[in-house]
Amino acid sequence: SQQGEEDPQALSIQEGENATMNCSYKTSINNLQWYRQNSGRGLVHLILIRSNEREKHSGRLRVTLDTSKKSSSLLITASRAADTASYFCATDVRSGYALNFGKGTSLLVTP
Amino acid sequence: DGGITQSPKYLFRKEGQNVTLSCEQNLNHDAMYWYRQDPGQGLRLIYYSQIVNDFQKGDIAEGYSVSREKKESFPLTVTSAQKNPTAFYLCASNVRERSNYGYTFGSGTRLTVV
Repeated sequence: SQQGEEDPQALSIQEGENATMNCSYKTSINNLQWYRQNSGRGLVHLILIRSNEREKHSGRLRVTLDTSKKSSSLLITASRAADTASYFCATDVRSGYALNFGKGTSLLVTP
Repeated sequence: DGGITQSPKYLFRKEGQNVTLSCEQNLNHDAMYWYRQDPGQGLRLIYYSQIVNDFQKGDIAEGYSVSREKKESFPLTVTSAQKNPTAFYLCASNVRERSNYGYTFGSGTRLTVV
């Protein structure tokens, strides 16, 4: 079952701007992960944040996790045209057995 | 280089036919997964396997079957019982179930019913 819900569904920004995507989920998690998917390709793992962590950085990516609100955000700073893709959050649920994926946010970065 | 290979990239199936999608990994991962992706639907879990010779149904297993005879291989058969098989199919693997590592995905197979 799909547990994560990303917001917004679509986002259009210009190069150099920051992009923020949000993810909400419903049940307790072990960790939350973000993935990128270029059109017609497989998903690529970006970053994982554990349930006892509040913030994590990787290059131009910053992820936050608020377990009290059951929400996470992904910030991409100084975006580039190559960041154009769909971004998915996925939750490793304590009572589950595989990652649950949201429907994704489609990001368009224009030069 | 280690990774997951899915084949074929494109597959066309006539109504009433069974077709098999290949998924091979050389990452020495224990866990493997099959997801289906439809436009605007995100990814939905079909089957998963935590170890050789063992697999479990996911959320949408009806009309699909799998086998896990080798650690490296997790083929998915789309049977004629699957009413709407046109979709993008993604195979993934993980070191093991419940690891704090991300999944590695293949590049997908796009199946179309003609």
